[in-house]
Amino acid sequence: KAGVTQTPRYLIKTRGQQVTLSCSPISGHRSVSWYQQTPGQGLQFLFEYFSETQRNKGNFPGRFSGRQFSNSRSEMNVSTLELGDSALYLCASSPTFGVSNNEQFFGPGTRLTVL
Amino acid sequence: LAKTTQPISMDSYEGQEVNITCSHNNIATNDYITWYQQFPSQGPRFIIQGYKTKVTNEVASLFIPADRKSSTLSLPRVSLSDTAVYYCLVSNRDNRKLIWGLGTSLAVNP
Repeated sequence: KAGVTQTPRYLIKTRGQQVTLSCSPISGHRSVSWYQQTPGQGLQFLFEYFSETQRNKGNFPGRFSGRQFSNSRSEMNVSTLELGDSALYLCASSPTFGVSNNEQFFGPGTRLTVL
Repeated sequence: LAKTTQPISMDSYEGQEVNITCSHNNIATNDYITWYQQFPSQGPRFIIQGYKTKVTNEVASLFIPADRKSSTLSLPRVSLSDTAVYYCLVSNRDNRKLIWGLGTSLAVNP
């Protein structure tokens, strides 16, 4: 069974631009979560989608948004990029909603660099 | 403010048992404890999850004392390939709480 895939793997943007990242979950998984990972802050939860609905949202500004499609694939968008948005963006999928008793399967991430 | 605290780094040698402890003083009744492993250029990978007492699987054990304010990930007989960053996560059932530790960088030496 194929794992979680994320595209693109690397991205370089300039301040003020916007970016869209894509995530394809493991087949059959309906929940997709997004995380931002930086050396100083570690893993920070952005949001979780289940059945095309955002179920949970972390403490990020409205410039960060996402959506999920009927095939469970998900995209996240960051508008008006800032230097501080440079990070590894990770997508994780799981069979059902909620991670407390659910193993999350992470993709390799998209490395975003904002210049 | 709830948080999880774990050592920044640890060193070990091949064949030794490694214990990494995570402190989560403000853990709530409904919270679970999960550990993940991350290699460079990869996403985290699930190791083990528990709620109380002891959980064991084919790669690790997780010890949780009665007060649940800490947890210890135990890796038996580590090898060079266990060199990675290990993360502790405290979460509740509906994901309204997701508290990740900053990770413990484990270096296994020959």
